Amino acid sequence: DAKTTQPPSMDCAEGRAANLPCNHSTISGNEYVYWYRQIHSQGPQYIIHGLKNNETNEMASLIITEDRKSSTLILPHATLRDTAVYYCIVRVATGTASKLTFGTGTRLQVTL
Amino acid sequence: DGGITQSPKYLFRKEGQNVTLSCEQNLNHDAMYWYRQDPGQGLRLIYYSQIVNDFQKGDIAEGYSVSREKKESFPLTVTSAQKNPTAFYLCASSITGTAFYEQYFGPGTRLTVT
Repeated sequence: DAKTTQPPSMDCAEGRAANLPCNHSTISGNEYVYWYRQIHSQGPQYIIHGLKNNETNEMASLIITEDRKSSTLILPHATLRDTAVYYCIVRVATGTASKLTFGTGTRLQVTL
Repeated sequence: DGGITQSPKYLFRKEGQNVTLSCEQNLNHDAMYWYRQDPGQGLRLIYYSQIVNDFQKGDIAEGYSVSREKKESFPLTVTSAQKNPTAFYLCASSITGTAFYEQYFGPGTRLTVT
């Protein structure tokens, strides 16, 4: 699976958009981009995934560049409850069980 | 409610003792996973199972053992051979058979060995 690079930490004011970048310059054509987040001392939670098109769900939007070498997770109106570590993961889509490779992620701090 | 339960939330053991962490899911998922997380680090895969009575080693299986006798249950035993067992342990499950699937995580068990 391709390696990802994320900034170690970011701050965001409550109510503003949080834009979390991820670099995955070695991504291959059959690899998806996944985002999970982990609130302190809890299990990770799936947020969104995409292949090459931009995606949006009730939690967030995912913008993937045309060359697929980077992506941005957007939380449109961050709240204090969005304070968490956000993980960008790249992996091949397969019908069999396989690991998710979690790096150290980006620690997002949402402040008043 | 469907989900994954892990018990207990906190576990304390003396060095040299084996300890078993429980993981149960009622999501009817075929696949189950165990990850370990150390402070400030990402998750590392210990073992995973795609189906009952079958399991595979992950990246850091040494000192751990698992069983998968029932679809709903995937207990993890931390043996005395594990050099640094103190960590946060997370269990997850997922469907299989489709190109994309998300992994659902339990709340975790924090193990402290002294």
